[in-house]
Amino acid sequence: QVQLQESGPGLVKPSETLSLTCTVSGGSVSSGSYYWSWIRQPPGKGLEWIGYIYYTGSTNSNPSLKSRVTISVDTSKNQFSLKLNSVTAADTAVYYCARAYCSRTSCYLEDYWGQGTLVTVSS
Amino acid sequence: QSALTQPASVSGSPGQSITISCTGTGSDVGGYNYVSWYQQHPGKAPKLMIYDVSKRPSGVSNRFSGSKSGNTASLTISGLQAEDEADYYCSSYTSSNTWVFGGGTKLTVL
Repeated sequence: QVQLQESGPGLVKPSETLSLTCTVSGGSVSSGSYYWSWIRQPPGKGLEWIGYIYYTGSTNSNPSLKSRVTISVDTSKNQFSLKLNSVTAADTAVYYCARAYCSRTSCYLEDYWGQGTLVTVSS
Repeated sequence: QSALTQPASVSGSPGQSITISCTGTGSDVGGYNYVSWYQQHPGKAPKLMIYDVSKRPSGVSNRFSGSKSGNTASLTISGLQAEDEADYYCSSYTSSNTWVFGGGTKLTVL
C-alpha cells in the first residue's frame, strides 16, 4: 500500500521560502507513469494544484505559481520536495502531496495522498 | 489557468439523487476524458470517487457515477445517505499538461 507523508516547518515568515518534503513508502518515486504532485488548500477554501515532478526530473507547475515554485526529487531517499519562495499570508494553507497516474488512456490524481500539513505564513 | 466552475452548494434528502456539474473549456474538461471527482470530509484528505470521467475505483459505492457532455462533466449520487454529506471537487487534466480543480461544492443531506 502506497503511503505519503508530508514534513516541514508549520510556520514561515513573510518573504521567506516555504520548504516541504514528501516521503513515499510502499512505492518508488523512480517508477514510470507516476507524477509526484503537490496540492494546497487555504483554510475554508478549495483545492489548488501546485505542480508535479516525474522521476526523470521533469516538472510542471500552476502558471499562477510557476515563478515561485521549485519541485525536486531525491530517488535515494524516495522523497520529493516543494519550495515556494517569497511567501505571503495568501500562501497559508494545508499542503498535500499526492501521486498522479498517466498513461495513453488514463490520467488522474490517484487516491494516494498525504494527510496534509498546515503551513502558516506569519511574522 | 482558471478553476473549473462548480455550484457552491447542493442539497438533497436521504434516498434522493443529486447531480453536481463541473464546467471547463475545450482545453481541459472538453478536450480530454480525464475528469476526476473527489470527496472531502472536514479535516480529511480528499478521496477519489470517480476518474477518467466515469470509472469508479475499487471500494467506491456504485451510487456514485460520472458523465461528461462537451465542456461540462457531472457527478451523480443516487440513494443519498447521511455520510455523503461532504465537499466535492472535480479535477481535469489540461492541454498544458497540468491539472486544474473546480471550486468545490458543499453537499448537504437534509
